[in-house]
Parts: sequence; structure tokens; C-alpha cells
Amino acid sequence: EIVLTQSPGTLSLSPGERATLSCRASQSVSSSLLAWYQQKPGQAPRLLIYAASRRATGIPDRFSGSGSGTDFTLTISRLEPEDFAVYYCQRYGNSLTFGGGTKVEIK
Amino acid sequence: QVQLQESGPGLVKPSETLSLTCTVSNGSISSYYWSWIRQSPGKGLEWIGHIYYTGSTNYNPSLKSRVTISVDMSNNQVSLKLSSVAAADTAVYYCARMWYASNWDYYYGMDVWGQGTTVIVSS
Repeated sequence: EIVLTQSPGTLSLSPGERATLSCRASQSVSSSLLAWYQQKPGQAPRLLIYAASRRATGIPDRFSGSGSGTDFTLTISRLEPEDFAVYYCQRYGNSLTFGGGTKVEIK
Repeated sequence: QVQLQESGPGLVKPSETLSLTCTVSNGSISSYYWSWIRQSPGKGLEWIGHIYYTGSTNYNPSLKSRVTISVDMSNNQVSLKLSSVAAADTAVYYCARMWYASNWDYYYGMDVWGQGTTVIVSS
């Protein structure tokens, strides 16, 4: 089973700063099978990125995804107040898996 | 746009079976996968399993012995049954629409989610 490890666990940043979130897989993952989600308290997750780098419908271009193999990154170029949330990576497969999440909090 | 609504008992006794329904409105079940995901209090997301509209299923190995997911095309519903529940099954349960193109091995993600329903396992 492929395990996704996200780091850091918590990222403390100020609005306007750049956020870089990491998702590392225990084995190589096809980039076409990697997605990212945002979750705010009391809400369902929202799809941000699919196929490692494709923005979902309606997602602002300050969100970008990159990576291949075992290392994937979600970047938020300039944090807006509404971007402070928890972010999860996810891999599709016979056994679909989520990473443990990274919380982006206001510094 | 497509909307998903989870429903079912909010309280289930230990050892009993948890049964939830996800009703799909403003859209069809056809051509998509439908997934169940849960989130224990203060924890991350856990995939329970998913079903293709044809009825083909895939389950989390850690839950496989207790999970059944089914689809009711006539009522546009997807159902989850989790047997022999314990306190550790207390969670918010979400259903989500998922799109995977098997011909190209390309995953479009879980693009539509229900609001989630809280299930507490307690006597």
C-alpha cells in the first residue's frame, strides 16, 4: 500500500506570503493519479488540483501543483485570508489514500 | 449543478450496522464513481470505498470485511453499510463524486461532495 506523507504538519504564514506544501509517496505515483484538496472547519473538502498540476474548475491561479514520482508540491503563490485551511493530497488507486494533511495557519 | 446529500441515523449502537444513503440530485449516477470518505473528530480523511455506476466496488482493505457499498440507479442513490461498529467508527461521513478515466489511467479527483453527516457510535 502506498503511503502519502505530508509536510510540514503545520505552516504558519502571513497573508500575502507564499506557501509550499509537500506530499511524499512511499513508492512512485503516476502524476495523473494525484490530487489536492482544501478543507475548512466544518466544511467538506474541496478539490483544488487533479493530475498533479491541473486546477479544478473555479480554482484561482494562485494555486498550483507540481511534481512527479514520489515528490509532489502544492504552492499557493500569495496567501489570501480565505486560504488558511487544511490541505490534503490524495492518490487514486486500487486502494485510494489520503495524506495526513498540512494545516496552513495565520502567523 | 449536481448536489449530494447524505442521510441516515446520527446515533448507532456498538455492534450494530451503520447505514447511510447519498442522494444525487440535478445529475445522473451514470458514468461516475461514487466514494464514501469519513473523518473522525480532529483527524484526517479516510477513504472507505467506492462504487462505479455499474456496481463494481473497491474497498479500503482495513474496512473491507465490514463494508458494503451499493448503487440504486432508479432512485439516484448510493448506499453505505458498515457492520459491527465500534466507538472508533464515530465520524463525519461524506459521499463524493469521483471521475476516473480507466482508458487513460487518468484521475479527475472528487469534484462534488456532500455536506457530510455525523455518526456517533454509542450505547
